[in-house]
Amino acid sequence: AQTVTQSQPEMSVQEAETVTLSCTYDTSESDYYLFWYKQPPSRQMILVIRQEAYKQQNATENRFSVNFQKAAKSFSLKISDSQLGDAAMYFCAYRSSGGNQFYFGTGTSLTVIP
Amino acid sequence: DVKVTQSSRYLVKRTGEKVFLECVQDMDHENMFWYRQDPGLGLRLIYFSYDVKMKEKGDIPEGYSVSREKKERFSLILESASTNQTSMYLCASSLPGITNEKLFFGSGTQLSVL
Repeated sequence: AQTVTQSQPEMSVQEAETVTLSCTYDTSESDYYLFWYKQPPSRQMILVIRQEAYKQQNATENRFSVNFQKAAKSFSLKISDSQLGDAAMYFCAYRSSGGNQFYFGTGTSLTVIP
Repeated sequence: DVKVTQSSRYLVKRTGEKVFLECVQDMDHENMFWYRQDPGLGLRLIYFSYDVKMKEKGDIPEGYSVSREKKERFSLILESASTNQTSMYLCASSLPGITNEKLFFGSGTQLSVL
């Protein structure tokens, strides 16, 4: 099984500031997909951003961007201009190309301080 | 928008009871998944199904079984509930893993076994 590691159980950020959540993964495959999911207090998991491993360009979605370092097997999420609504649990996930199973990290709980 | 519906948001059961958790998706997805979410452990896969009547064990299948008689419905069964099965259960669905397709999640069932 693939391993996804999120080494920061909790993070906090001041409103309007920038925060980076870390994620590393272990794989021997060359083609795969990486995802960041957000789980607010409502419990509904929401896709934040995704990255294809074959793409060198880092994915961005409005205030959310990733730093994908394939050689280092690192996939960090940067949240710019943090808002109160960004407070949530964030999960990093991996899926191999052609595979059905998603592998998740243990999550990072993000607090946004007003 | 894809909808994944879990039949109960909260459930309280007694030790030894047989428990059924139901999940229905409305987008004709081949793949359906049951995850268990515990603090500090992230999401762990219990079972997944890639077609009607087809299933595969995930990382923690012990004490659970599943049923997929129709494409849209995937049921998780606790044959004899135990207190260590108190947890949040998340159902998800997706298309087959040939693209960067994401997982669509239900809003979870918080199960308490007393």
